[in-house]
Amino acid sequence: DAGVIQSPRHEVTEMGQEVTLRCKLISGHNSLFWYRQTMMRGLELLIYFNNNVPIDDSGMPEDRFSAKMPNASFSTLKIQPSEPRDSAVYFCASSLTAGSNEKLFFGSGTQLSVL
Amino acid sequence: AQKITQTQPGMFVQEKEAVTLDCTYDTSDQSYGLFWYKQPSSGEMIFLIYQGSYDEQNATEGRYSLNFQKARKSANLVISASQLGDSAMYFCAMRANAGGTSYGKLTFGQGTILTVHP
Repeated sequence: DAGVIQSPRHEVTEMGQEVTLRCKLISGHNSLFWYRQTMMRGLELLIYFNNNVPIDDSGMPEDRFSAKMPNASFSTLKIQPSEPRDSAVYFCASSLTAGSNEKLFFGSGTQLSVL
Repeated sequence: AQKITQTQPGMFVQEKEAVTLDCTYDTSDQSYGLFWYKQPSSGEMIFLIYQGSYDEQNATEGRYSLNFQKARKSANLVISASQLGDSAMYFCAMRANAGGTSYGKLTFGQGTILTVHP
């Protein structure tokens, strides 16, 4: 079975450019999470969707960040305009349901470098 | 609010020995799940073990076991017979099944880097 698929694996861009990260959930999963990982701040939850609806976006750093789920199996995280401090590994993860006993399956991550 | 604390930034263990990675948590929710993930140098996040807040038995998965002490709010990971391939970052995480904005989200600790020596 295919796991969570993220693209691209690596993204290098210049400050001010728009960046779009993509995520395909595991078929049948209805909860989606976007995390950001840095050395300084560890794993931070950016936003969480359940059944395509954003439940908690309190972790989104600022208005430059936006996330969407246009359908049940796909999500995008957009940064516009990007800044060097956005450089991090961005993970997408999904789970079958929103229950507390459901583990998250993670994608391989996108390594973003903003120059 | 949920909080996970991992107080050991780094741990060292000799190959074939057992090691315990500490994790304490704080939540006001009655129903929650505790998870451990492994992140090797390649970067992927690998699920290791799960413990439910109402589970009476400590969870075990092969060489991994979870020492769950609910009254102390601790969920330590025990790795028995350490192998060189166990060298990685280990994250403790909690998912609480509460209403409102915390419903179902997974909160991570800062992680512990484990190094296994031959």
